[in-house]
Amino acid sequence: EPEVTQTPSHQVTQMGQEVILRCVPISNHLYFYWYRQILGQKVEFLVSFYNNEISEKSEIFDDQFSVERPDGSNFTLKIRSTKLEDSAMYFCASSARVSDSPLHFGNGTRLTVT
Amino acid sequence: DAKTTQPPSMDCAEGRAANLPCNHSTISGNEYVYWYRQIHSQGPQYIIHGLKNNETNEMASLIITEDRKSSTLILPHATLRDTAVYYCIVKSSGTASKLTFGTGTRLQVTL
Repeated sequence: EPEVTQTPSHQVTQMGQEVILRCVPISNHLYFYWYRQILGQKVEFLVSFYNNEISEKSEIFDDQFSVERPDGSNFTLKIRSTKLEDSAMYFCASSARVSDSPLHFGNGTRLTVT
Repeated sequence: DAKTTQPPSMDCAEGRAANLPCNHSTISGNEYVYWYRQIHSQGPQYIIHGLKNNETNEMASLIITEDRKSSTLILPHATLRDTAVYYCIVKSSGTASKLTFGTGTRLQVTL
Protein backbone atom coordinates (compact mmCIF):
# COMPACT_ATOMS: atom_id res chain seq x y z
CA GLU A 1 0.00 0.00 0.00
CA PRO A 2 1.41 3.43 -0.92
CA GLU A 3 2.45 5.58 2.00
CA VAL A 4 3.66 9.03 2.92
CA THR A 5 7.35 9.04 3.78
CA GLN A 6 9.13 11.66 5.87
CA THR A 7 12.80 12.37 6.35
CA PRO A 8 14.67 12.62 8.60
CA SER A 9 12.94 10.70 11.36
CA HIS A 10 14.76 12.79 13.96
CA GLN A 11 16.39 16.19 13.56
CA VAL A 12 18.31 18.02 16.24
CA THR A 13 19.10 21.68 15.67
CA GLN A 14 20.24 24.69 17.61
CA MET A 15 17.97 27.61 18.34
CA GLY A 16 18.07 30.15 15.55
CA GLN A 17 19.04 27.65 12.87
CA GLU A 18 16.99 26.91 9.79
CA VAL A 19 15.55 23.44 9.29
CA ILE A 20 13.86 21.80 6.35
CA LEU A 21 11.61 18.83 6.91
CA ARG A 22 10.94 16.68 3.89
CA CYS A 23 7.98 14.62 2.82
CA VAL A 24 7.17 12.46 -0.16
CA PRO A 25 3.38 12.31 -0.44
CA ILE A 26 1.48 9.46 -2.06
CA SER A 27 2.13 9.77 -5.76
CA ASN A 28 -1.34 10.53 -7.15
CA HIS A 29 -2.36 12.83 -4.32
CA LEU A 30 -2.86 16.52 -4.95
CA TYR A 31 -3.51 17.99 -1.48
CA PHE A 32 -0.75 18.28 1.06
CA TYR A 33 -0.69 19.15 4.73
CA TRP A 34 1.64 19.70 7.65
CA TYR A 35 0.64 19.06 11.25
CA ARG A 36 2.62 19.11 14.44
CA GLN A 37 2.29 17.52 17.85
CA ILE A 38 4.10 18.87 20.86
CA LEU A 39 4.86 16.10 23.35
CA GLY A 40 1.74 15.18 25.30
CA GLN A 41 -0.50 17.56 23.36
CA LYS A 42 -2.99 17.36 20.50
CA VAL A 43 -2.14 17.00 16.85
CA GLU A 44 -2.37 20.55 15.46
CA PHE A 45 -2.97 21.69 11.91
CA LEU A 46 -0.32 23.96 10.42
CA VAL A 47 -1.01 24.38 6.72
CA SER A 48 -2.68 22.90 3.67
CA PHE A 49 -1.33 23.22 0.14
CA TYR A 50 -2.89 22.67 -3.26
CA ASN A 51 -1.96 23.67 -6.79
CA ASN A 52 1.30 25.20 -5.63
CA GLU A 53 -0.22 27.53 -3.14
CA ILE A 54 -1.32 27.57 0.47
CA SER A 55 -5.03 26.81 0.84
CA GLU A 56 -5.28 27.43 4.56
CA LYS A 57 -2.92 28.05 7.45
CA SER A 58 -3.28 28.19 11.19
CA GLU A 59 -2.14 30.88 13.61
CA ILE A 60 0.89 28.74 14.38
CA PHE A 61 2.07 29.01 10.78
CA ASP A 62 3.66 32.43 11.04
CA ASP A 63 6.35 34.10 8.92
CA GLN A 64 8.98 31.73 10.27
CA PHE A 65 7.33 28.85 8.42
CA SER A 66 7.14 28.20 4.71
CA VAL A 67 6.16 25.30 2.51
CA GLU A 68 7.24 24.33 -0.94
CA ARG A 69 6.75 21.63 -3.51
CA PRO A 70 10.07 21.99 -5.29
CA ASP A 71 9.51 19.15 -7.74
CA GLY A 72 6.85 16.61 -8.60
CA SER A 73 7.43 14.43 -5.58
CA ASN A 74 8.68 16.32 -2.52
CA PHE A 75 6.81 18.60 -0.16
CA THR A 76 8.89 20.52 2.35
CA LEU A 77 8.34 22.53 5.51
CA LYS A 78 10.98 25.12 6.33
CA ILE A 79 11.37 26.78 9.69
CA ARG A 80 13.57 29.79 9.18
CA SER A 81 14.85 30.48 12.67
CA THR A 82 13.94 27.74 15.10
CA LYS A 83 12.84 28.41 18.66
CA LEU A 84 12.80 26.03 21.61
CA GLU A 85 9.01 25.85 21.37
CA ASP A 86 9.24 24.48 17.83
CA SER A 87 10.35 21.17 19.31
CA ALA A 88 7.64 18.71 18.30
CA MET A 89 6.72 15.85 16.00
CA TYR A 90 5.91 17.16 12.55
CA PHE A 91 3.58 15.10 10.41
CA CYS A 92 3.05 15.43 6.70
CA ALA A 93 -0.18 14.23 5.13
CA SER A 94 -1.66 13.99 1.67
CA SER A 95 -5.05 13.31 0.15
CA ALA A 96 -6.35 12.51 -3.31
CA ARG A 97 -8.60 14.53 -5.55
CA VAL A 98 -12.05 13.26 -4.52
CA SER A 99 -13.96 15.39 -2.08
CA ASP A 100 -14.26 12.88 0.75
CA SER A 101 -10.88 11.20 0.43
CA PRO A 102 -9.07 10.72 3.72
CA LEU A 103 -5.76 12.26 4.68
CA HIS A 104 -2.89 9.79 4.92
CA PHE A 105 -0.12 10.67 7.33
CA GLY A 106 3.56 9.92 7.45
CA ASN A 107 5.26 8.74 10.62
CA GLY A 108 6.68 12.13 11.34
CA THR A 109 9.94 13.93 11.98
CA ARG A 110 10.85 14.53 15.58
CA LEU A 111 12.38 18.00 15.75
CA THR A 112 14.43 18.83 18.82
CA VAL A 113 15.60 22.43 19.20
CA THR A 114 18.36 22.94 21.78
CA ASP B 1 -16.49 21.75 11.45
CA ALA B 2 -18.70 20.24 14.13
CA LYS B 3 -17.23 19.43 17.52
CA THR B 4 -17.02 15.85 18.75
CA THR B 5 -17.14 14.37 22.24
CA GLN B 6 -15.42 11.10 23.14
CA PRO B 7 -14.75 9.35 26.44
CA PRO B 8 -11.14 9.94 27.51
CA SER B 9 -10.34 6.27 27.99
CA MET B 10 -11.68 2.74 27.58
CA ASP B 11 -10.48 -0.77 28.26
CA CYS B 12 -11.16 -3.85 26.20
CA ALA B 13 -10.15 -7.48 26.62
CA GLU B 14 -8.17 -8.98 23.79
CA GLY B 15 -10.38 -10.89 21.37
CA ARG B 16 -13.49 -8.97 22.32
CA ALA B 17 -15.15 -6.24 20.28
CA ALA B 18 -14.14 -2.69 21.13
CA ASN B 19 -16.98 -0.21 20.71
CA LEU B 20 -15.81 3.39 20.75
CA PRO B 21 -18.56 6.01 20.92
CA CYS B 22 -18.54 9.54 19.58
CA ASN B 23 -21.07 12.34 19.87
CA HIS B 24 -21.30 14.96 17.14
CA SER B 25 -24.69 16.54 17.75
CA THR B 26 -24.00 19.68 15.68
CA ILE B 27 -22.91 17.82 12.53
CA SER B 28 -24.23 19.33 9.32
CA GLY B 29 -25.40 17.64 6.17
CA ASN B 30 -22.15 17.84 4.20
CA GLU B 31 -19.88 16.74 7.02
CA TYR B 32 -18.31 13.31 7.17
CA VAL B 33 -17.33 11.36 10.26
CA TYR B 34 -13.72 10.19 10.14
CA TRP B 35 -11.92 7.89 12.54
CA TYR B 36 -8.16 7.86 12.98
CA ARG B 37 -5.90 6.29 15.53
CA GLN B 38 -2.44 7.10 16.81
CA ILE B 39 -0.26 4.35 18.16
CA HIS B 40 2.33 5.75 20.54
CA SER B 41 4.04 8.63 18.70
CA GLN B 42 3.44 7.38 15.19
CA GLY B 43 1.53 9.38 12.60
CA PRO B 44 -2.26 9.27 12.76
CA GLN B 45 -3.57 6.25 10.89
CA TYR B 46 -6.78 6.47 8.88
CA ILE B 47 -9.33 3.83 9.87
CA ILE B 48 -12.67 4.56 8.25
CA HIS B 49 -15.11 7.32 7.38
CA GLY B 50 -18.77 7.72 6.51
CA LEU B 51 -21.49 10.22 5.75
CA LYS B 52 -24.74 8.57 6.82
CA ASN B 53 -24.61 4.90 5.96
CA ASN B 54 -22.82 2.33 8.06
CA GLU B 55 -19.43 1.41 6.66
CA THR B 56 -17.13 -1.59 7.04
CA ASN B 57 -13.60 -2.24 5.90
CA GLU B 58 -10.83 -4.64 6.83
CA MET B 59 -10.01 -2.69 9.97
CA ALA B 60 -13.32 -1.72 11.50
CA SER B 61 -17.01 -0.93 11.19
CA LEU B 62 -18.59 2.47 11.56
CA ILE B 63 -22.16 2.73 12.77
CA ILE B 64 -23.77 6.17 12.36
CA THR B 65 -27.13 6.84 13.98
CA GLU B 66 -30.02 7.80 11.75
CA ASP B 67 -30.02 11.38 13.01
CA ARG B 68 -26.21 11.44 12.50
CA LYS B 69 -25.67 12.93 15.94
CA SER B 70 -23.49 10.09 17.11
CA SER B 71 -21.45 7.18 15.82
CA THR B 72 -19.63 4.11 17.06
CA LEU B 73 -16.40 2.65 15.80
CA ILE B 74 -16.28 -1.10 16.22
CA LEU B 75 -13.07 -3.11 16.22
CA PRO B 76 -14.55 -6.61 16.00
CA HIS B 77 -11.71 -8.58 17.61
CA ALA B 78 -9.37 -6.26 19.45
CA THR B 79 -5.72 -7.24 19.78
CA LEU B 80 -2.94 -5.76 21.88
CA ARG B 81 -1.74 -3.92 18.77
CA ASP B 82 -5.01 -1.97 18.73
CA THR B 83 -3.96 -0.14 21.90
CA ALA B 84 -3.91 3.48 20.74
CA VAL B 85 -5.63 6.84 20.93
CA TYR B 86 -8.69 6.88 18.69
CA TYR B 87 -9.92 10.14 17.22
CA CYS B 88 -13.41 10.81 15.92
CA ILE B 89 -13.31 13.85 13.62
CA VAL B 90 -16.04 15.60 11.70
CA LYS B 91 -14.86 17.13 8.46
CA SER B 92 -16.64 18.99 5.70
CA SER B 93 -16.49 17.68 2.18
CA GLY B 94 -14.32 20.52 0.88
CA THR B 95 -11.35 18.97 -0.82
CA ALA B 96 -8.65 20.81 1.09
CA SER B 97 -10.44 21.11 4.37
CA LYS B 98 -8.32 20.17 7.34
CA LEU B 99 -8.83 17.60 10.06
CA THR B 100 -9.10 19.04 13.55
CA PHE B 101 -7.92 16.57 16.17
CA GLY B 102 -9.33 16.52 19.68
CA THR B 103 -8.00 14.53 22.60
CA GLY B 104 -9.60 11.25 21.48
CA THR B 105 -10.21 8.05 23.41
CA ARG B 106 -7.26 6.13 24.75
CA LEU B 107 -8.12 2.46 24.19
CA GLN B 108 -6.19 -0.03 26.27
CA VAL B 109 -6.49 -3.63 25.12
CA THR B 110 -5.57 -6.10 27.84
CA LEU B 111 -4.93 -9.84 28.03
